[in-house]
Amino acid sequence: NAGVTQTPKFQVLKTGQSMTLQCAQDMNHEYMSWYRQDPGMGLRLIHYSVGAGITDQGEVPNGYNVSRSTTEDFPLRLLSAAPSQTSVYFCASSYSFVSHSSYEQYFGPGTRLTVT
Amino acid sequence: GQNIDQPTEMTATEGAIVQINCTYQTSGFNGLFWYQQHAGEAPTFLSYNVLDGLEEKGRFSSFLSRSKGYSYLLLKELQMKDSASYLCAVRSRGSTLGRLYFGRGTQLTVWP
Repeated sequence: NAGVTQTPKFQVLKTGQSMTLQCAQDMNHEYMSWYRQDPGMGLRLIHYSVGAGITDQGEVPNGYNVSRSTTEDFPLRLLSAAPSQTSVYFCASSYSFVSHSSYEQYFGPGTRLTVT
Repeated sequence: GQNIDQPTEMTATEGAIVQINCTYQTSGFNGLFWYQQHAGEAPTFLSYNVLDGLEEKGRFSSFLSRSKGYSYLLLKELQMKDSASYLCAVRSRGSTLGRLYFGRGTQLTVWP
């Protein structure tokens, strides 16, 4: 199993540009989520999904969109990049609380995004 | 809402024991996790507690007291490779299935 994969690993954008961060998992996990990590702020939840076709907002959703058309993929779209979105982005997945007793979230390697 | 507190930084000496505390306030508690994160890498799972008491895994142990909203991670026989950030995270109950709320992390530095 590849686990959770993310592309790209590094990205530089200009203010106003849009882009999609890719995330995929091959563990048949129902639950997927996107976090951003900033110095001194810890991991903050952007959006999450409890299954294909179901998404919801986390703590800091503004400026980001998500969709979940398949169990495997959960892309994060930046609509119009701003310098405040400079951060490290992590995708994570896990079995849902209801269907499995395994509670662990598996994290991807991260995407380091700089917006100038 | 959720409020999770842990110390920002700790230092210790190789071979020693260190305890990293985490206190939380949550509207619906459904488990507490500890993750380890080395600089420039993704968080990796260390431990999970949902019932009161101590869970031991080799050199690492984690303790939970639900009535006090308190947990600690105990690292024994410290090694240089244990220098990392340790993240406390609380799982919520109810409609937000699986959602984790993270503390800001404790940066542990192990000196030789």
